[in-house]
Amino acid sequence: KAGVTQTPRYLIKTRGQQVTLSCSPISGHRSVSWYQQTPGQGLQFLFEYFSETQRNKGNFPGRFSGRQFSNSRSEMNVSTLELGDSALYLCASSLSGEDKLFFGEGSRLTVL
Amino acid sequence: LAKTTQPISMDSYEGQEVNITCSHNNIATNDYITWYQQFPSQGPRFIIQGYKTKVTNEVASLFIPADRKSSTLSLPRVSLSDTAVYYCLVGDDFGNEKLTFGTGTRLTIIP
Repeated sequence: KAGVTQTPRYLIKTRGQQVTLSCSPISGHRSVSWYQQTPGQGLQFLFEYFSETQRNKGNFPGRFSGRQFSNSRSEMNVSTLELGDSALYLCASSLSGEDKLFFGEGSRLTVL
Repeated sequence: LAKTTQPISMDSYEGQEVNITCSHNNIATNDYITWYQQFPSQGPRFIIQGYKTKVTNEVASLFIPADRKSSTLSLPRVSLSDTAVYYCLVGDDFGNEKLTFGTGTRLTIIP
């Protein structure tokens, strides 16, 4: 069974630009959650989608948004990038209602 | 949500047993305790999950006392490859644990 796939793995953007990250969950998993990881703040929850609906949301500004498609694949978007958005963005999938998370390898974003 | 407290870092020598304790004084009746392991530049990986008493799998054991206000992850005979950050999460079946991973415990294995 294929694991969680995140693309792209690495990307560099400049301030003010926007970025879209993609996550393909494990087949059969309907829940996808996103996390931001930085050295200073650790692993912080962004949001969680289940059956195309946002079910939980972390404490991040509206520049951070996401969506989930009918095939459970998810995307997150960050608009008007700031230097502080440089981080490893991790996606995790799980079966509905389960709390065992399966993570992808992440997308490392650098904002210059 | 039950807040968790773990030591920031620990060192251990190869071949020893390592025990990492997590405090969760406000754990709710329906909450499970789950541990994850993370290597640098990788996503966290599920290690073990339990509700009470003791759970053991091929890589670790999880000890949970009767009051469930703490839990201890036990790694038998650690090797250099066990150097990683270990996170303790507490949550119920609805995935509320996803809201916070905390700072985790950075375990360094010394040759």
